[in-house]
Amino acid sequence: QKEVEQNSGPLSVPEGAIASLNCTYSDRGSQSFFWYRQYSGKSPELIMFIYSNGDKEDGRFTAQLNKASQYVSLLIRDSQPSDSATYLCAVRGRSQGNLIFGKGTKLSVKP
Amino acid sequence: KAGVTQTPRYLIKTRGQQVTLSCSPISGHRSVSWYQQTPGQGLQFLFEYFSETQRNKGNFPGRFSGRQFSNSRSEMNVSTLELGDSALYLCASSYLARETDTQYFGPGTRLTVL
Repeated sequence: QKEVEQNSGPLSVPEGAIASLNCTYSDRGSQSFFWYRQYSGKSPELIMFIYSNGDKEDGRFTAQLNKASQYVSLLIRDSQPSDSATYLCAVRGRSQGNLIFGKGTKLSVKP
Repeated sequence: KAGVTQTPRYLIKTRGQQVTLSCSPISGHRSVSWYQQTPGQGLQFLFEYFSETQRNKGNFPGRFSGRQFSNSRSEMNVSTLELGDSALYLCASSYLARETDTQYFGPGTRLTVL
């Protein structure tokens, strides 16, 4: 059973701080990794994707991938109240079309 | 470019009925995937279609079925509805079905089974 694990939270950080969201996956053959943000009552919105080991930065967001440890993380710098949402980690394996999602981490950014 | 659209946005059905949900992918996208989202189970994969062919299927009973048309639009059908089928049904499209393709989600259809 291929699994993606995330802490459900809630993770609470003050405005302006760095929020760190973590995700582990069980399938070593996984090739593609995605972070989605989902506001309450809305559908998931793609934030970042990463395929190679190391860091990938996009604005205030940095995704980090360590395939040896089967670990992917998302850092949000200068967190804003508008970042308050559930963050979903998704993994796609080799030759696999569907994404396997973690259950999400709820982030709360306090003003 | 218009995003993924799903119709209807909300549905209320009773047990035993059947329902058909529709999804129109982003223009040019040929792959459509369907997911079910519930508070307890999170997002679970239902099936994926590419060029009118089902490529992959999740672990759901045969009451759940789908299809894709030549214009890439997709429908999913749930027959003999059960209370546990109440969920947000999400459709996602991607350009192709390669492992590096990103999936973009529609707004979802909220199904309530009474």
